[in-house]
Amino acid sequence: EDQVTQSPEALRLQEGESSSLNCSYTVSGLRGLFWYRQDPGKGPEFLFTLYSAGEEKEKERLKATLTKKESFLHITAPKPEDSATYLCAVLTGANSKLTFGKGITLSVRP
Amino acid sequence: DVKVTQSSRYLVKRTGEKVFLECVQDMDHENMFWYRQDPGLGLRLIYFSYDVKMKEKGDIPEGYSVSREKKERFSLILESASTNQTSMYLCASRPTGRGYTFGSGTRLTVV
Repeated sequence: EDQVTQSPEALRLQEGESSSLNCSYTVSGLRGLFWYRQDPGKGPEFLFTLYSAGEEKEKERLKATLTKKESFLHITAPKPEDSATYLCAVLTGANSKLTFGKGITLSVRP
Repeated sequence: DVKVTQSSRYLVKRTGEKVFLECVQDMDHENMFWYRQDPGLGLRLIYFSYDVKMKEKGDIPEGYSVSREKKERFSLILESASTNQTSMYLCASRPTGRGYTFGSGTRLTVV
């Protein structure tokens, strides 16, 4: 059974304090790893897709990386508006369904 | 941009009612999904569909059914709503081989 574990569950940072969010996975046949951002009361918003180990993607203060067992979402000099829940998901199998981790709630204090 | 529209942001229903949650996507995607999201449990897949009139059970299908009569519309049906079905319901669609686009969610309260 595919498993996705995100850590820590919650992270509180001071504005400007860089950090990383971890997503580790145990799957058979990874077809892609996805990062989403979710604000309270809203649907998840797509951030990145990573397909193979060694791949990196960047968007503003966010950078996602992928190894054979885990992915990291690095946040450089975060701002309060980066506060949200960040979800990781893996795509496996022929029927195209995503399996999600439970998410990491990030709070950035001004 | 792809748009996935869920018909209601908030719903309050009574125990035993039949509830319909509607989802429409505007990009001709083959695959559509229904998830529920609960604190501490994350997103859990209820049902998905990879073509018109096709449906597959997800991880927690009990108490739910779905309908996909047209490619752009995927409906989730709660046959007899119960209080343990109070949750945030999220619809998503995707073309084959790409990531999901989510709707904004329906927060359902069953009283």
